[in-house]
Amino acid sequence: GNSVTQMEGPVTLSEEAFLTINCTYTATGYPSLFWYVQYPGEGLQLLLKATKADDKGSNKGFEATYRKETTSFHLEKGSVQVSDSAVYFCALKELTGGGNKLTFGTGTQLKVEL
Amino acid sequence: DGGITQSPKYLFRKEGQNVTLSCEQNLNHDAMYWYRQDPGQGLRLIYYSQIVNDFQKGDIAEGYSVSREKKESFPLTVTSAQKNPTAFYLCASSIYGGGDNEQFFGPGTRLTVL
Repeated sequence: GNSVTQMEGPVTLSEEAFLTINCTYTATGYPSLFWYVQYPGEGLQLLLKATKADDKGSNKGFEATYRKETTSFHLEKGSVQVSDSAVYFCALKELTGGGNKLTFGTGTQLKVEL
Repeated sequence: DGGITQSPKYLFRKEGQNVTLSCEQNLNHDAMYWYRQDPGQGLRLIYYSQIVNDFQKGDIAEGYSVSREKKESFPLTVTSAQKNPTAFYLCASSIYGGGDNEQFFGPGTRLTVL
C-alpha cells in the first residue's frame, strides 16, 4: 500500500535559519505529492504540490522537488520566520487505482524562535 | 465568503453516547471527506463522498457513519461502537474526487469523550 514517512519533530530553528523537512514515500503507481501546513488550532492548508517527476512546487518561499529516483519530496525554505511555526504534513495521492484518498505522513512540528 | 464550516469547535460527550459532527461547505464542491487526527499519527481517512447520496469507507470507518443527502452537507456520526473516539476531526472538500485537485479543510472539531 501507499505510505509517507516524515522526519520526526519537533524541529526548532532560529529565525532566518535554513529549513529542511524530509519526506519519502512508497506508492505502487504515479502519485501526486503535496505539502500541507496546519497552524495551531486550525485545519490544514495546501502549501505546495507537484504532480510528476522533477516538478518543483513552490509557495511563500517554500520549495519541494519531486524526486522519483529517491522517492522523496523534501520541503525547504531558505530563511524561516516565527510565523512559519506550524505542523507540516507531506501527503500523496495516486491518480490511478488509488481512489480519491490522500495518504498523509505523521506531520513534523516546526518551531521558529527569535 | 466561501469555505468549510465545522461545528462545534469543541465537543464533550459521555462514553456510550452517539454524537454527530457537522460539516457544511458553500464551495459547490462535489466531493467531501472526513479525517481523524491523533497525536503522532497524522490524518487518517474515515469516509468520503464523491457525489450526493453516495459515500465510501476510508481506512478507519469502523464505529462511524455518514450521510450525504445534500451537496453542501456531510455529517459524521461517532457511534458508541467506536472504541477510542477522542480525537480531532477534520472535514474537507474538493471540486470533484478524481485527479489531483486540492482538498480544502475546515477548522476541525475536537471531540472529547469523558
